[in-house]
Formats: sequence, structure tokens, C-alpha cells
Amino acid sequence: DAGVTQSPTHLIKTRGQQVTLRCSPKSGHDTVSWYQQALGQGPQFIFQYYEEEERQRGNFPDRFSGHQFPNYSSELNVNALLLGDSALYLCASSRESGYTFGSGTRLTVV
Amino acid sequence: GDSVTQMEGPVTLSEEAFLTINCTYTATGYPSLFWYVQYPGEGLQLLLKATKADDKGSNKGFEATYRKETTSFHLEKGSVQVSDSAVYFCALGGSNFGNEKLTFGTGTRLTIIP
Repeated sequence: DAGVTQSPTHLIKTRGQQVTLRCSPKSGHDTVSWYQQALGQGPQFIFQYYEEEERQRGNFPDRFSGHQFPNYSSELNVNALLLGDSALYLCASSRESGYTFGSGTRLTVV
Repeated sequence: GDSVTQMEGPVTLSEEAFLTINCTYTATGYPSLFWYVQYPGEGLQLLLKATKADDKGSNKGFEATYRKETTSFHLEKGSVQVSDSAVYFCALGGSNFGNEKLTFGTGTRLTIIP
């Protein structure tokens, strides 16, 4: 049974560009959450999607947006990238029994 | 708002030493508490959890007890191994875990020397 799959694993973008990160949840999971983990820090909650709607949102600007598809997969979009957006972006899927995390996408903004 | 304060690292121990990583929290209501572990280049793995006061979570020799009176959830292991080297995160979530966000501490990097 595949766990949470994230793509790409690494990417490098230039300041001001836009980026899309993708997540396929674990089989049977219907909820997807996104977290940002800066170097040396704990993950910070960005938002959570359920039934294709944003259910909760953390303290992140509107440059961060997302989407959930009917098959429960999800995308995280970040516009107007800043150097400070460089981080590991973690996707976590869940149902009621708890979270399963993916290995993350390492985004570097130069 | 909710917050988690975790023991500053890094922590370096010899194999078979006793481990304690301190974690305290601030939250409204009755949160669930978690310890996650992150190995190099990987995502987070749930190590153990506790959902109410005085619960003890345990897994792979690690233990943590939910202490409401001291708002703490310290991680302990009696005899660490080199394979325990990783970053450990304390986190809190709602009682409806899986549907509520997690709030993490800053992490403690543990290195075990043979």
C-alpha cells in the first residue's frame, strides 16, 4: 500500500516565480494538509483540504493557495516567490485515525 | 494560541544511555499529544501519541506520559541505540486527530555515538 507521494522531490525557482507542488494521499485517506518546514524548524501548518474545500488555514499569506481534486490528490501553489519561501514542504493525508506524512518537496528560491 | 516548547538541541549521547527530551505545551481544551521522528531526507513518522491526561504512549522502547498538571509530555527511552539518531518533534493536535491541524515544537536533533 503506497503511502503519501509528493512531487517533485526537489526544485529550484527564482524569486518572483510561481510554483506548484503535488501530493497523492495514502489510499483510503480523504483529507490533505500542507506544512512548511524551514531549515532547523518544526513544520508550520499552511492549510487543510477536505471534500475539495479549504477547511482550515494557518497564518500564511494569500500567495499560498491550494486545491484538492475529486480523487483526493492535492496541489499547493505559491505565487511571487520570496527567498524566505525556501523550505521543505510536507503533505500529510488523513482520515480519522491520524496523519501519514510524505517525504516532502525541497524548494529552494534563489 | 496553541504552542509547544521543546528542549533545545542538539543532544549527543553514548549508546545504551538514558534519554529524556522535554516538551511542554500551551493549549485550550484537551489536546492530543504526539511525538514524531524525522530521519535524514525523510518525512515525519508518528512515534507515539496520547489522547488524554495520564495516558502513556509507547513504541519501540520510547515512552511519554501526558501530564495535564504540568502541561508536559516528555519523551524517554531507557537505552538508546545508534539507529535512534534522528530529529524528534513534539506536537499537539485536537481530539479529532486526523481532522485538526498539528502544532509542532522546533525539534530536537539526537545523535547517538557507538
